[in-house]
Amino acid sequence: GESVGLHLPTLSVQEGDNSIINCAYSNSASDYFIWYKQESGKGPQFIIDIRSNMDKRQGQRVTVLLNKTVKHLSLQIAATQPGDSAVYFCAENINSGNTPLVFGKGTRLSVIA
Amino acid sequence: ETGVTQTPRHLVMGMTNKKSLKCEQHLGHNAMYWYKQSAKKPLELMFVYNFKEQTENNSVPSRFSPECPNSSHLFLHLHTLQPEDSALYLCASSPPGRTFGGYTFGSGTRLTVV
Repeated sequence: GESVGLHLPTLSVQEGDNSIINCAYSNSASDYFIWYKQESGKGPQFIIDIRSNMDKRQGQRVTVLLNKTVKHLSLQIAATQPGDSAVYFCAENINSGNTPLVFGKGTRLSVIA
Repeated sequence: ETGVTQTPRHLVMGMTNKKSLKCEQHLGHNAMYWYKQSAKKPLELMFVYNFKEQTENNSVPSRFSPECPNSSHLFLHLHTLQPEDSALYLCASSPPGRTFGGYTFGSGTRLTVV
């Protein structure tokens, strides 16, 4: 079975609020994680990544948190904007890149203006 | 534009038709991938090519036939498909054998089998 999944299939937030999208993984051998954003009519786009030797990584308005103890990954989006409306996927990789990425089901984020 | 171009964007085909999907990238990547994206399912890996050689076939039915003539081009040949094959087919590329930085995806081909 798949080793990457998402807690919530949909998430609605008010514009300006912070969003948190969660992801659980079951393979303790996973050592690299990526968050992707997929807008309607487009393919997934890389947002941010994190390696297993880190707990937190920040980008522009986005932060990824990794909790290896409970095998949990989250994506935080600050000051959510209408343009953030999309489906967000987490992906994991084992063996530092020598195997293909495994993707989760995705969470749809809807931003309410 | 991501640098990975897929054509056509939309395709409707009958179950007895033969058609091909095309993917092209000029990012200097040597690994290319086909993924299937269905509603309510995770992205499903179909095929992986490294330096034009197929390195993974994820138990894909033989009615899907990939072809990689060079590191910049990838095709998916389709014949005698079933309605359940209707999905978004995504092509991606990456530097060979390395996923750091992730894959670069095209916009996909929306396939409808009637």
